Amino acid sequence: KAGVTQTPRYLIKTRGQQVTLSCSPISGHRSVSWYQQTPGQGLQFLFEYFSETQRNKGNFPGRFSGRQFSNSRSEMNVSTLELGDSALYLCASSLAFGTSEQTGELFFGEGSRLTVL
Amino acid sequence: AQKITQTQPGMFVQEKEAVTLDCTYDTSDPSYGLFWYKQPSSGEMIFLIYQGSYDQQNATEGRYSLNFQKARKSANLVISASQLGDSAMYFCAMREVNTGGFKTIFGAGTRLFVKA
Repeated sequence: KAGVTQTPRYLIKTRGQQVTLSCSPISGHRSVSWYQQTPGQGLQFLFEYFSETQRNKGNFPGRFSGRQFSNSRSEMNVSTLELGDSALYLCASSLAFGTSEQTGELFFGEGSRLTVL
Repeated sequence: AQKITQTQPGMFVQEKEAVTLDCTYDTSDPSYGLFWYKQPSSGEMIFLIYQGSYDQQNATEGRYSLNFQKARKSANLVISASQLGDSAMYFCAMREVNTGGFKTIFGAGTRLFVKA
């Protein structure tokens, strides 16, 4: 079974630009979560989607947004990039809550490393 | 509110010895799950072990065991017989079932160094 796929793996942007990151979850996983990882702040929760609905959102400004498509693939967008947005953005998928495997274990992609200059 | 605390920024252990990585948590939800993940220098996050809040026994997975003390709200990871490949960042995480709203939060992590 293929793992979680994130694209692009690396990207460089300049301040003020916007960026879209993509995540394809493991087949059958309907929940997709996004995290921002920085050396100073660790892993910060951005948002979680299930069946195209955002079920929870972290404490990030409105410049950070996301969506999920009917095939469970997800995208996140950051507009008006700032230097502080430089980070590793991790996507994770999990089985839907209420299935036989209810641990909520997250399966992570390799991440998209964003550098803002 | 949910909170995960890992107080050890870095730990050293001699190869083949056991090491305990500390994790405490705070939650008002009676139903929650606790996880440990490993992040090698390559960056990928690897799930290690899970403990449910209602599980009576401590979880074990190979060389990994979770020392779950519910009353103290601690979920320490024990790695037995450390190997050089265990050198990595280790994150403790928690997901609340009822009030967490489908999110998993992570601690700051502990960087483990295994010495030959």
